[in-house]
Amino acid sequence: SYVLTQPPSVSVAPGKTAIITCGGDNIGNQAVHWYQQKPGQAPIVVIDYDKDRPSGIPERFSGSNSGNTATLSISRVEAGDEADYYCQVWDTTSDRGVFGGGTKLTVL
Amino acid sequence: EVQLLESGGGLVQPGGSLRLSCAASGFTFSSYAMSWVRQAPGKGLEWVSSLSGTADTTYYADSVKGRFTISRDNSKNTLYLQMSPLRVEDTAVYYCTKDRGGVSEKWGQGTLVTVSS
Repeated sequence: SYVLTQPPSVSVAPGKTAIITCGGDNIGNQAVHWYQQKPGQAPIVVIDYDKDRPSGIPERFSGSNSGNTATLSISRVEAGDEADYYCQVWDTTSDRGVFGGGTKLTVL
Repeated sequence: EVQLLESGGGLVQPGGSLRLSCAASGFTFSSYAMSWVRQAPGKGLEWVSSLSGTADTTYYADSVKGRFTISRDNSKNTLYLQMSPLRVEDTAVYYCTKDRGGVSEKWGQGTLVTVSS
């Protein structure tokens, strides 16, 4: 089965850029989606189809995807960005949804 | 405004059954695939099952295949998840999602299923 690998945690100072990676075999050939989940809340989409921002998501959030790594970047990080972030693909080989293990973003 | 409201969660013994429901509003329900995603306490997200808008195609995670059944009633704008037999490891918050081309673009608030003796 397809596996997505994320670092368990990332820490960043306010105002800096946070980079969260999502590794998978030839993930560059898949559409990657990123979700933000704050404590006690349901997830929301922050990036879909590798790099598209849904309405209402700040321009500070961006995504890229190439080779074996997809990346979520959050520039000018704010305290309110502290959350768990998950990458996700629909694996067309197995017709299964797949989530990464999640990355806890801590704003120092 | 899109709204997804899950219900049906609760405490059940191992081997028991539950049926979750997800009432949808604010969009043309029959035009969208829908999914269930779960999250065990303190753990990450796990995709469970998806169903096409016309209900003719279903997909299941290996961990639930043969035990869970996803269905929908487009006349009632409602998605279901029949779960049986339940295991302790099925304990989780279950989210209903509205899908668009493989992305879960909207999520409900979830319903908690606890499997314990």
